[in-house]
Amino acid sequence: GDSVTQMEGPVTLSEEACLTINCTYTATGYPSLFWYVQYPGEGLQLLLKATKADDKGSNKGFEATYRKETTSFHLEKGSVQVSDSAVYFCALGAGGSYIPTFGRGTSLIVHP
Amino acid sequence: NAGVTQTPKFQVLKTGQSMTLQCAQDMNHNSMYWYRQDPGMGLRLIYYSASEGTTDKGEVPNGYNVSRLNKREFSLRLESAAPSQTSVYFCASSESGSEAYEQYFGPGTRLTVT
Repeated sequence: GDSVTQMEGPVTLSEEACLTINCTYTATGYPSLFWYVQYPGEGLQLLLKATKADDKGSNKGFEATYRKETTSFHLEKGSVQVSDSAVYFCALGAGGSYIPTFGRGTSLIVHP
Repeated sequence: NAGVTQTPKFQVLKTGQSMTLQCAQDMNHNSMYWYRQDPGMGLRLIYYSASEGTTDKGEVPNGYNVSRLNKREFSLRLESAAPSQTSVYFCASSESGSEAYEQYFGPGTRLTVT
């Protein structure tokens, strides 16, 4: 079945450091790929998406590129802020069920 | 627009008590979902409703029931709460079809069963 694997957290960075959170997937066909973010005490919200190979999704300074050859969708940001501290979920959508498959989430902690 | 709203925000129950978690969305979405989130387990789908009048089991439906009251509202009922149901519960909604993967989440209900 479909699955998403994310790097274990927490990821701890200083403000203005570079961020990469790894995400790889297994799916039949050609899935759509998503990153969701969950700030403390809140629900998840869609951060960015890509629907086909080589697409780059971007939002709020975050980027992720759909790499079909490596089945990956790594999340990157050049300079993180304390306000980016949150849990980040990679997800995919494939097949006819229309239920997304979520990774387990990666916690990011950014220190001043 | 309020988006997806959930009530209550917090709840403490004793083992064996029942309660209903309420969810409503104002985005005219066809599909609605209930998830639970536990440390180290990520999100797990309890039940979903692809459209008004239909409901289906997700990954962890045991101990729960749902009602799609109308297009806006989707409730989750615990008939006899157990400590294993201590969790954070999220309701979500989405368009149908391929847009269903873009989900909009409520703020969550934090439930403790003692």
